[in-house]
Amino acid sequence: QVQLQESGPGLVKPSQTLSLTCTVSGGSISSGSYYWSWIRQPAGKGLEWIGRIYTSGSTNYNPSLKSRVTISVDTSKNQFSLKLSSVTAADTAVYYCARDLDASNFDYWGQGTLVTVSS
Amino acid sequence: QSVLTQPPSMSAAPGQTVTISCSGSSSNIGNNYVSWYQHLPGTAPKLLIYDNYKRPSGIPDRFSGSKSGTSATLGITGLQAGDEADYYCGTWDSGLGAVFGGGTKLTVL
Repeated sequence: QVQLQESGPGLVKPSQTLSLTCTVSGGSISSGSYYWSWIRQPAGKGLEWIGRIYTSGSTNYNPSLKSRVTISVDTSKNQFSLKLSSVTAADTAVYYCARDLDASNFDYWGQGTLVTVSS
Repeated sequence: QSVLTQPPSMSAAPGQTVTISCSGSSSNIGNNYVSWYQHLPGTAPKLLIYDNYKRPSGIPDRFSGSKSGTSATLGITGLQAGDEADYYCGTWDSGLGAVFGGGTKLTVL
């Protein structure tokens, strides 16, 4: 059974960089034809896809966030990571990592981690 | 404003059937598969339907999905108290990447 777990600071100051890591267990991140995505949900709002990475390292990003987002993968640690720069209060949200079968079929999700942007 | 349009809320009594709609366009639903997710507060979203109508292992057949043109529908029969949750549709958009509906809050009366 594949499991995903997000980790990282729960509080980030405005203008700084938000950094999160997703650790995958129960299977190798580099096996199979999967994408690995980051998705967020601000309080009281819907889900927003941030971007994804393939095990080859190729990435796709939400155009509205592309200039601030970097997703990377470390196959040796079975992890992938999110960096979101120049954060503001609007980036406060629960951040989820998820496995993407293809074209937005997210079959495994982490429990989510709340990141608050505040000074 | 979400790319995919869902009704914000719906309600029905236990045992009844509900259908939740998801409307998009030719750049998303019209040319891609649709998935549906159940989200209970404080938990990870759960994949209910993928590729328009397929159910992952463990999802009861009370949940069904369909797609026609640029719209999709999630059906839930025999409503149970445990079905009370937020439901999201999702798909791929040719210009935006993965997109979701705004979510439908289902209340079981």
